[in-house]
Amino acid sequence: AQSVTQPDIHITVSEGASLELRCNYSYGATPYLFWYVQSPGQGLQLLLKYFSGDTLVQGIKGFEAEFKRSQSSFNLRKPSVHWSDAAEYFCAVGDTGTASKLTFGTGTRLQVTL
Amino acid sequence: GAVVSQHPSWVICKSGTSVKIECRSLDFQATTMFWYRQFPKQSLMLMATSNEGSKATYEQGVEKDKFLINHASLTLSTLTVTSAHPEDSSFYICSATVALAGVKEQYFGPGTRLTVT
Repeated sequence: AQSVTQPDIHITVSEGASLELRCNYSYGATPYLFWYVQSPGQGLQLLLKYFSGDTLVQGIKGFEAEFKRSQSSFNLRKPSVHWSDAAEYFCAVGDTGTASKLTFGTGTRLQVTL
Repeated sequence: GAVVSQHPSWVICKSGTSVKIECRSLDFQATTMFWYRQFPKQSLMLMATSNEGSKATYEQGVEKDKFLINHASLTLSTLTVTSAHPEDSSFYICSATVALAGVKEQYFGPGTRLTVT
């Protein structure tokens, strides 16, 4: 069965500092990987996704993520965090070929200090 | 494009009553919709997969008689929480799948917060 681990429950960074959110997955084949952001009381917004090809993917809001098959990781990065980035971030893995049925990690809450 | 709406955005109901939540794809047709449940400060848990014109497929541990799902058209799926109890209070999120450039992606609704008193 597929699974996703986000080791960091809560991260605090200063505005302007760099950010890396960790995500490790378990999947038997080539996974479809996603990062979503959720503001309080809101639905999910897709930041970026990886299906195939270039292992460094660019997303919205200045985020990027790198797929490392050898480490089963798909870490999310941003070079300079803004206060508005404070939110909950979820990594998810989907079924190869459909990217439909998603399994989510437990999420990382990002707090940004001014 | 690819907007998904949910109605209502929040609802309060009394224990023992039923509540219906609608999920609509506004600008595309979705053959498959998903229903998730999210407890406070926790992740999303898939409840069921809803396919237009057929019975929903429920995840293990989800009571199909309690959480009735109907996918009557390509743009509408409904989740009815029957005989609701306080432990059913949660944030319910739907998503709809659309194929873009040959790849299926999910788009999420804004969620419905259900409080059962």
